[in-house]
Amino acid sequence: QQQVKQSPQSLIVQKGGISIINCAYENTAFDYFPWYQQFPGKGPALLIAIRPDVSEKKEGRFTISFNKSAKQFSLHIMDSQPGDSATYFCAASLNSGNTPLVFGKGTRLSVIA
Amino acid sequence: DTGVSQNPRHKITKRGQNVTFRCDPISEHNRLYWYRQTLGQGPEFLTYFQNEAQLEKSRLLSDRFSAERPKGSFSTLEIQRTEQGDSAMYLCASSLGSTGYLNYGYTFGSGTRLTVV
Repeated sequence: QQQVKQSPQSLIVQKGGISIINCAYENTAFDYFPWYQQFPGKGPALLIAIRPDVSEKKEGRFTISFNKSAKQFSLHIMDSQPGDSATYFCAASLNSGNTPLVFGKGTRLSVIA
Repeated sequence: DTGVSQNPRHKITKRGQNVTFRCDPISEHNRLYWYRQTLGQGPEFLTYFQNEAQLEKSRLLSDRFSAERPKGSFSTLEIQRTEQGDSAMYLCASSLGSTGYLNYGYTFGSGTRLTVV
């Protein structure tokens, strides 16, 4: 049973556009929701994270929106750039991130000029 | 110490052979995690350590897999009697854990890509 469901599997966005990736979780005890970015041949790198006591968190061009009642959270990349082309993973964990992260299956983002 | 180091980067082995991977975490990180990633999938948790204590093992970790973290520093992941289904990227990550509201996330290494032929 997949605990974190991510969509879409792949996404193509024009340069300057908004990229939106969605995740849904099942375990209501999850209390830490990070997004990771992975380039080919590299390990994932933390991009931004949110806790369920806030509905939105913004860092530069990256924003997480969180809907606790719907058990969903999403990543928005504003003014998408070709350098943002990568695979993005949502994740979730318990106990403020002190239990191992459960990852979604990933979204491959391509930003085209 | 600029990050998490994993060796080797690539390993090709014949089915039935044993392999061992090494992970050197960021020195001040007390937590160390092993994940497995197959093509087109997210990382799947295998096991993790806090200092030298192995705190949790996934059901994915069959008895052919063993991990150690002697003295709470580097860690090794051994796979005995490898099978073709073991072919994957093995990722190591380290973290400081979380205190209160602060969480600095995981720092992943670049992984060891295992191919079993």
